[in-house]
Amino acid sequence: GAVVSQHPSWVICKSGTSVKIECRSLDFQATTMFWYRQFPKQSLMLMATSNEGSKATYEQGVEKDKFLINHASLTLSTLTVTSAHPEDSSFYICSASFQGTSTGELFFGEGSRLTVL
Amino acid sequence: GENVEQHPSTLSVQEGDSAVIKCTYSDSASNYFPWYKQELGKRPQLIIDIRSNVGEKKDQRIAVTLNKTAKHFSLHITETQPEDSAVYFCAAGKSGNTPLVFGKGTRLSVIA
Repeated sequence: GAVVSQHPSWVICKSGTSVKIECRSLDFQATTMFWYRQFPKQSLMLMATSNEGSKATYEQGVEKDKFLINHASLTLSTLTVTSAHPEDSSFYICSASFQGTSTGELFFGEGSRLTVL
Repeated sequence: GENVEQHPSTLSVQEGDSAVIKCTYSDSASNYFPWYKQELGKRPQLIIDIRSNVGEKKDQRIAVTLNKTAKHFSLHITETQPEDSAVYFCAAGKSGNTPLVFGKGTRLSVIA
């Protein structure tokens, strides 16, 4: 199956700092990647759709100036949480689907657990 | 947009019994329905999926059924084992580069 790798797997930062999370498709090209957020004991909520070479599409209620998404290549998308606050502490998971196929199946990264002190 | 409802939120079964989790969806254009298993602190893992042109699919102890008319689909796990204990999520989506919409999850506990 396709492999999606995410880094870092966990990060602790101080309030007010910025944190960057990387999502890479290791063995396939992904024109589109999706960023989800999962709070403890809750479901995965879509934050944004990351499109290679263009601006990300954000879901309602997600601040685009706070959660910066860059998809500069067909294998890398980054999520930067700017001026992080304790309420941003969560499990962030990226996912991607095969380019050019119509399967619909998503492959998930390992997830990044962010703790903001 | 799509809305996925999942029930029950928690489910406890005795080892060897069957477990059933049900989901409904709202968007009749959705045609892809995967089920994911997530263990604590780990990424969701696809366990089975079904497409709208099929009514039932089975893989060993796991089966999924789909009723397009009623817009609901179900996960069936037979002969449950303690290692089946996890949170299960249903999801609905469309083919191509579109995101999945997830249900709220079911925490399954298999008691030995």
